[in-house]
Parts: sequence; C-alpha cells; structure tokens
Amino acid sequence: NAGVTQTPKFRVLKTGQSMTLLCAQDMNHEYMYWYRQDPGMGLRLIHYSVGEGTTAKGEVPDGYNVSRLKKQNFLLGLESAAPSQTSVYFCASRKTGTSYNEQFFGPGTRLTVL
Amino acid sequence: GNSVTQMEGPVTLSEEAFLTINCTYTATGYPSLFWYVQYPGEGLQLLLKATKADDKGSNKGFEATYRKETTSFHLEKGSVQVSDSAVYFCALSESAGGTSYGKLTFGQGTILTVHP
Repeated sequence: NAGVTQTPKFRVLKTGQSMTLLCAQDMNHEYMYWYRQDPGMGLRLIHYSVGEGTTAKGEVPDGYNVSRLKKQNFLLGLESAAPSQTSVYFCASRKTGTSYNEQFFGPGTRLTVL
Repeated sequence: GNSVTQMEGPVTLSEEAFLTINCTYTATGYPSLFWYVQYPGEGLQLLLKATKADDKGSNKGFEATYRKETTSFHLEKGSVQVSDSAVYFCALSESAGGTSYGKLTFGQGTILTVHP
C-alpha cells in the first residue's frame, strides 16, 4: 500500500514549456486535490476532483489544467509554464463521507520555472 | 470566505520547553479543524483534528481545543523534542452538510525548530 505517490519529484522548466504532474493513489479514494505550497502562504488549492471524470476549480486555477480519467490518477498540467508557477506541488486524496475525513498527501513535486 | 491565521514564526525552542502555536479562523457555519505537520522533505500528515466546539484533539503529546467563542484552535505540547522540528499547519474544512467536498483552507504554516 503505497498511499499517494507523485511523479516527478523534481523538475526544472524553461518559461513557455509544458509538463504534466502525475498523482496516483491506491486507497480507492473518491476525492483528489492538487495544492501548491509557497513560502509564507501555506497550501492553496488549485483544482480538485470528486470522482472519475469530474474536476473543479479551486482557489488558484489559472494556468493549470487537470484530468481524472481513472479513479486512481489525477493529472495536473501546465500548458505554458511561467516563473510564477515555481512552487512545490502536493497532491492529496480523501475518501467520501464527512468533511472531517483525513486528507492523505503525497511527498510533493518541486518545480522551478526559469 | 474562510480563512486561517497562524502565529508567525519561526519558533525556536530548547528541548523539553512548552510549545504553543496560535491559530484563529474565520468561517461560516461549523467547520472542522485540523493540525497538519510537515517534516523536512515530506508531505503533510494529519496530526490531530476536532469536529465540533469544545472537542479536544490529541496525538503524540500534542493537543488543541476547538474554541468556538474565540474562533481558535491553538496547538500545545508540554515538552517538545528535537524530533518535533517541522512545519505545522492549521487548517479548516467546512461543515459536513455543505458542498465543500472536504476542501481544506490552510494557515501559512509555522516553522518549529527544537534544539538539544
């Protein structure tokens, strides 16, 4: 049981390049989330998904797209990377039910955009 | 909208000192409250939670009490260890009856360093 895994762990992009971050969970959770973590700002929600084939915008969705084609995977895409997207990205998942169910986090992806 | 405010850090303590990290929140309804911890190079882990007023969450010697009257959820530990060095995040989730889908609103995080 690996929990939540993220690929890659580190990446350096040039401005304008594109990339996809992959999140996978093996806990059969319905809900999945993408956050970004920036110094002094905590974690901010980018997009989330409440089930296979569904996605929704979070607090800071601009410049990102997501897809949830399989229940266990949640992809975060950057079509044209900008330096403002330099951050640490965390994926999380949670089972359905009450809102106080724990979110389980992956180890993060550190992205630098030059 | 919802918001969470934590005391600014970093916080530096000696081993066995008493720890308090303040957290206050603004939310509609009756949110659930959480403390998450992030150890160096890792993702976040749930430390403790409280789901209604006057609930006390506790884990690994850490405690926090949900105070609705002061909209606070301060984290405390009586005797910290070097291994407690980490970043601590206070967070809230809207009440279960809403359509928030368990989304978390985080505070900015407090860096704790404990010296031997």
